[in-house]
Amino acid sequence: GAVVSQHPSRVICKSGTSVKIECRSLDFQATTMFWYRQFPKQSLMLMATSNEGSKATYEQGVEKDKFLINHASLTLSTLTVTSAHPEDSSFYICSARDPRDFYEQYFGPGTRLTVT
Amino acid sequence: AQKITQTQPGMFVQEKEAVTLDCTYDTSDQSYGLFWYKQPSSGEMIFLIYQGSYDEQNATEGRYSLNFQKARKSANLVISASQLGDSAMYFCAMREGGTSYGKLTFGQGTILTVHP
Repeated sequence: GAVVSQHPSRVICKSGTSVKIECRSLDFQATTMFWYRQFPKQSLMLMATSNEGSKATYEQGVEKDKFLINHASLTLSTLTVTSAHPEDSSFYICSARDPRDFYEQYFGPGTRLTVT
Repeated sequence: AQKITQTQPGMFVQEKEAVTLDCTYDTSDQSYGLFWYKQPSSGEMIFLIYQGSYDEQNATEGRYSLNFQKARKSANLVISASQLGDSAMYFCAMREGGTSYGKLTFGQGTILTVHP
């Protein structure tokens, strides 16, 4: 199946700083990518849908000024957590739809963010 | 309202036995897709099986089968001949048609533990 990578896999940052997470589709062009957030032993909650060349669509309750999403190319979407706080500590997972594949989304391995 | 419900927070099964993980869903769409994912402790999301709303046959993939009962809006996952490596968190997810095409909604998850 198709491969999606995320970088970094783990990041620790200080409160008040910003951190960028990259999501790349390695062997296909993804017109749509999704960003999820997951707390320990809980479900994945969709944060936003990222479409190449246009503004991301955020889910209700997600602060768009805090979680900046940029989908600058067909293989790269980035999530920037601005002015991070300890409550932003979580597991962030991206997924990408391969337009050649009718039903599958391909998930990245996730990024564990810890804000101290 | 919860669109995907997994009522079993945790399940235990003996190695080599079969286990059923429950999932019920709610949608007014005629066209939708149902997915099961496995998430081991590493955090990666592993696609297991897919069932389309118009599929008349229950989906099967190796040791995984999906017991699809459309009228009851249930899509239970059956794992046959459980293995120790099956111990993980399992998520049921739904993709609805229309403007939210591609967006997945996840259930709360079920932690499966396989005993030797």
